[in-house]
Amino acid sequence: GAVVSQHPSRVICKSGTSVKIECRSLDFQATTMFWYRQFPKQSLMLMATSNEGSKATYEQGVEKDKFLINHASLTLSTLTVTSAHPEDSSFYICSARAGIWGNQPQHFGDGTRLSIL
Amino acid sequence: SQKIEQNSEALNIQEGKTATLTCNYTNYSPAYLQWYRQDPGRGPVFLLLIRENEKEKRKERLKVTFDTTLKQSLFHITASQPADSATYLCALGSGNTGKLIFGQGTTLQVKP
Repeated sequence: GAVVSQHPSRVICKSGTSVKIECRSLDFQATTMFWYRQFPKQSLMLMATSNEGSKATYEQGVEKDKFLINHASLTLSTLTVTSAHPEDSSFYICSARAGIWGNQPQHFGDGTRLSIL
Repeated sequence: SQKIEQNSEALNIQEGKTATLTCNYTNYSPAYLQWYRQDPGRGPVFLLLIRENEKEKRKERLKVTFDTTLKQSLFHITASQPADSATYLCALGSGNTGKLIFGQGTTLQVKP
């Protein structure tokens, strides 16, 4: 149980392209989803917290107009990297929390490797 | 600012031995701590949760301790196997937002 599917797994595109990444909870409803960014051999950096039906809460330093998050249903959140540039190349990972309590575990997707040429 | 430190050097041990990984933190009072396993190119997988009022938690071959005085958690894998080789992340949280702060992870290599 508690499976999270993230798609696509890898994207290679030209600078200036906008890229959409989907995160789906397959067998549970997720009121809260999280988006992270991870650089090689570094920790996961939280970008934003996404709650179903409301605006995402972005972490300090993350441009909300650059990284658009939509959480339209209890099983789907999307992250759109707008007008991507080489510095946006990274490993993006989403997670979903099944319950309402903060200490419950997060269930992660397998990430999206984004490479901007 | 909040800081979490995990040993950045890889831990190499022989199969059958106990692996012990350390997670230290400063400038933070977490209500709970979680441990995750991450394999290369994959997302983290949840292993164990321990709350601030708990000293120790066990699950099969895994054991986690949480010392809020020392601001430290230890993660043990007993009777380690080559399949346990992965990067292990500790993550701290508080409040009801569910936001976690992750350490950079320690890579464990279990040799047959």
